[in-house]
Amino acid sequence: KQEVTQIPAALSVPEGENLVLNCSFTDSAIYNLQWFRQDPGKGLTSLLLIQSSQREQTSGRLNASLDKSSGRSTLYIAASQPGDSATYLCAVSPHTNAGKSTFGDGTTLTVKP
Amino acid sequence: DAGVIQSPRHEVTEMGQEVTLRCKPISGHNSLFWYRQTMMRGLELLIYFNNNVPIDDSGMPEDRFSAKMPNASFSTLKIQPSEPRDSAVYFCASSLGGAAGYTFGSGTRLTVV
Repeated sequence: KQEVTQIPAALSVPEGENLVLNCSFTDSAIYNLQWFRQDPGKGLTSLLLIQSSQREQTSGRLNASLDKSSGRSTLYIAASQPGDSATYLCAVSPHTNAGKSTFGDGTTLTVKP
Repeated sequence: DAGVIQSPRHEVTEMGQEVTLRCKPISGHNSLFWYRQTMMRGLELLIYFNNNVPIDDSGMPEDRFSAKMPNASFSTLKIQPSEPRDSAVYFCASSLGGAAGYTFGSGTRLTVV
C-alpha cells in the first residue's frame, strides 16, 4: 500500500525567502505526482503535475522535482510572498490504478511579511 | 469553462436524514472522483468513475453511502441515513483520464447534528 509523507507538517518563513517542501512515497511504481495548494475553507488548486518519465516541472516561481528511485519529490518556491501562505499537498498516482491517487497530509506554509 | 461545480456549498442536516451532494465535472473530462476530507483522516478517495462507470468504490465507508453518475455531466453522492461522523468536506474532482491530473471543485461542507 502506497504511503505518502509530507514533512514538515508546518513551516513559517519570512517574506522573500526561498523554500523547499518535501513529499516522500514508499512505492516507486507511480504514474505521476501532482502538487496542490489548498487555502483555508477552499478546494484544491493544481500547481504542477509531473509524469513518471519526467524529472521536473516549472511554473513561475514554482519548481517541482521527482526522483522515483528515492521515492521523493520536492516543491521549490522562490522569493516567497505572504500570498503563498496555504497548505500544500502532494498526490501520487500508482501505475497499476492510475485513478486511485494517495494524498499526503500536507505542509501548512506561513509566509510572514 | 466554469470548472468543477459542486452543490450545495454548505449543508447542515439532522442525524438520520438523507443527504445528496451534487457534482458537475468539467466538460470533456471522462473521470470523476469523490473525496472526503477531515482533520483526522485527511483526504480520502471514496469512489471514482471512468466514462460514467464506477471503477473503484473501495473507499466508500459503508452501505449508507452511494454514488451515481447517470451521464457524463452529472454525479451524486448520497448518504442515507446520515450520522454525525459523516461531517466533513466532500470534494468532487474530474480529469481527462485518471492519470491526467485532477481539477477539484470547491467542496461541500456537510455538518450532521
